[in-house]
Amino acid sequence: QQQVKQSPQSLIVQKGGISIINCAYENTAFDYFPWYQQFPGKGPALLIAIRPDVSEKKEGRFTISFNKSAKQFSLHIMDSQPGDSATYFCALYPPRGFGNEKLTFGTGTRLTIIP
Amino acid sequence: DAGVTQSPTHLIKTRGQHVTLRCSPISGHKSVSWYQQVLGQGPQFIFQYYEKEERGRGNFPDRFSARQFPNYSSELNVNALLLGDSALYLCASWVGPENIQYFGAGTRLSVL
Repeated sequence: QQQVKQSPQSLIVQKGGISIINCAYENTAFDYFPWYQQFPGKGPALLIAIRPDVSEKKEGRFTISFNKSAKQFSLHIMDSQPGDSATYFCALYPPRGFGNEKLTFGTGTRLTIIP
Repeated sequence: DAGVTQSPTHLIKTRGQHVTLRCSPISGHKSVSWYQQVLGQGPQFIFQYYEKEERGRGNFPDRFSARQFPNYSSELNVNALLLGDSALYLCASWVGPENIQYFGAGTRLSVL
């Protein structure tokens, strides 16, 4: 079964700093690589996603960097704020086709932004 | 517009009992998936349904079953509950072509 290795497990960053979370995957083609943000008591919410034909995508303070040859992608949160404190999951999404639209999630990173 | 809604929000059961969890997708979404999220881990895929048909199944025992109704809502059933079934059960719905999955808040199941 496809696995996604996510690191670090937990991360503490000072307010205004840069938070970086990394994910690595194995040998399979995927349609896109999303990052989900989850607050306690809530379901995961899509934060940002990238397709494999793009090396970087930026939305506001959030940036995904994608290295196809290394099978790695990372989330960068610039100017981290206390409201960013949450658990972040990377995920893999296979090529479209009925019966195949399942997300494979990483193990999660608990991010804490301190003043 | 309402997002994905799940009920109940919390549930406490004892070993051996069965449970039914419910999910209403976002209006217009015909696909629904169920995931299990054990504390401290990422969600694990259980089932996918489209137009009332099962389109995918994860690595879960036959004690887990689901169905989708004509209005695209869905139920997840778990029989003969085990302590290890304690988890947050998430429902997601989506519609093509982007296939972005939107999650509900989940049902927290505790098996004692």
